[in-house]
Amino acid sequence: DADVTQTPRNRITKTGKRIMLECSQTKGHDRMYWYRQDPGLGLRLIYYSFDVKDINKGEISDGYSVSRQAQAKFSLSLESAIPNQTALYFCATSGLAVNTGELFFGEGSRLTVL
Amino acid sequence: SQQGEEDPQALSIQEGENATMNCSYKTSINNLQWYRQNSGRGLVHLILIRSNEREKHSGRLRVTLDTSKKSSSLLITASRAADTASYFCATGGGADGLTFGKGTHLIIQP
Repeated sequence: DADVTQTPRNRITKTGKRIMLECSQTKGHDRMYWYRQDPGLGLRLIYYSFDVKDINKGEISDGYSVSRQAQAKFSLSLESAIPNQTALYFCATSGLAVNTGELFFGEGSRLTVL
Repeated sequence: SQQGEEDPQALSIQEGENATMNCSYKTSINNLQWYRQNSGRGLVHLILIRSNEREKHSGRLRVTLDTSKKSSSLLITASRAADTASYFCATGGGADGLTFGKGTHLIIQP
């Protein structure tokens, strides 16, 4: 089984719908991240969490919210999806401060907003 | 905004040749990391080089870091078809997540 699991892997939805992307990890890491990838733009950080009580905005948090339900679970929500939120979304974890360690990524959730 | 910028954006070489891609960044860093992404898949960590290191090796990978020029290079020697992927540099300098470049798309021709 994958260490970092994202669900759903693919989702097509309509403008205005609420969408939740879920991430769970078995690595026992405290730090979890949500990134968004658009073609030709690399990855951009949406939100990150250092523990259950700690949530921080990233570079592009507008239009998104997150919930850290447990050490192992970190969900990303789009309250009212819009077409420019069509992208590939990645969850990642780290066991150390990122200035000393690597990120472990899930396989991604491809979201299409019509 | 992107911290790292990879160059070239795309690279196509013959199997067996060496592939070199470069990364430039703007602000001071604690470390620089390289990741590989196969098409549509999650990123996989390749190598990390700290700001006080100049060169690091891992198998067929060689990474250099020049903090005075704010640049790094990734060399893949004796390339294989399985090396076809996108390669991203990422910088860490603060308490939050890594900042990724836009990537170099590498194609290894058989």
